[in-house]
Amino acid sequence: EVQLGESGGGLVQPGGSLRLSCAVSGFTFSTYSMNWVRQAPGKGLEWVSYISGSSSTIYYSDSVKGRFTISRDNAKNSLYLQMNSLRDEDTAVYYCARDAYSLTYWGQGTLVTVSS
Amino acid sequence: EIVMTQSPATLSVSPGESATLSCRASQSISTNLAWYRQKPGQAPRLLIYDSFTRATGVPARFRGSGSGTEFTLTISSLQSEDFVVYYCQQYNNWPRTFGQGTKVEIK
Repeated sequence: EVQLGESGGGLVQPGGSLRLSCAVSGFTFSTYSMNWVRQAPGKGLEWVSYISGSSSTIYYSDSVKGRFTISRDNAKNSLYLQMNSLRDEDTAVYYCARDAYSLTYWGQGTLVTVSS
Repeated sequence: EIVMTQSPATLSVSPGESATLSCRASQSISTNLAWYRQKPGQAPRLLIYDSFTRATGVPARFRGSGSGTEFTLTISSLQSEDFVVYYCQQYNNWPRTFGQGTKVEIK
């Protein structure tokens, strides 16, 4: 069974940093691309970042480029999102999601709240 | 960036009836479109990919169609669990973009 589980969310002050993790199981992690997608409270879905299976290809949305860094450790079956210079508008539930095109599997999400 | 526009924002339908949701892309995306359903407090679930292919386990009453810039999700015989929010997403270009969502509510 494919499972994805995010962790690392919490309350952080504006300008602060946070590192999210996504642990996966049930598939050969290294052969699949992964994404981070976020959803602000009461709002729609926003794609944040993408990383290929080998980490050779990475993309970011303009809203996080230069502040967030996506990475993965295939030996640990884990995906990460390092978030720096956090802003109020980064407050959202962050989901990790599998695949390069349509997003077939999603985690349950972790809430990041940026507030003073 | 490709802008995805969903209509209507809210659709009122009676249980057992059909619902038709629309999604428009600001430029052609071929058939590189997916539909998701999101229940309150849960992660989205993939329903349709490649515009019309149902994901594993998705009932036949969900039907996707369209190509280019105009897409439709039709849900037949609406059941209680269908009265939630639906999103379309294009994966033709980077950045990936979602529509703003259509909420299907009980009439």
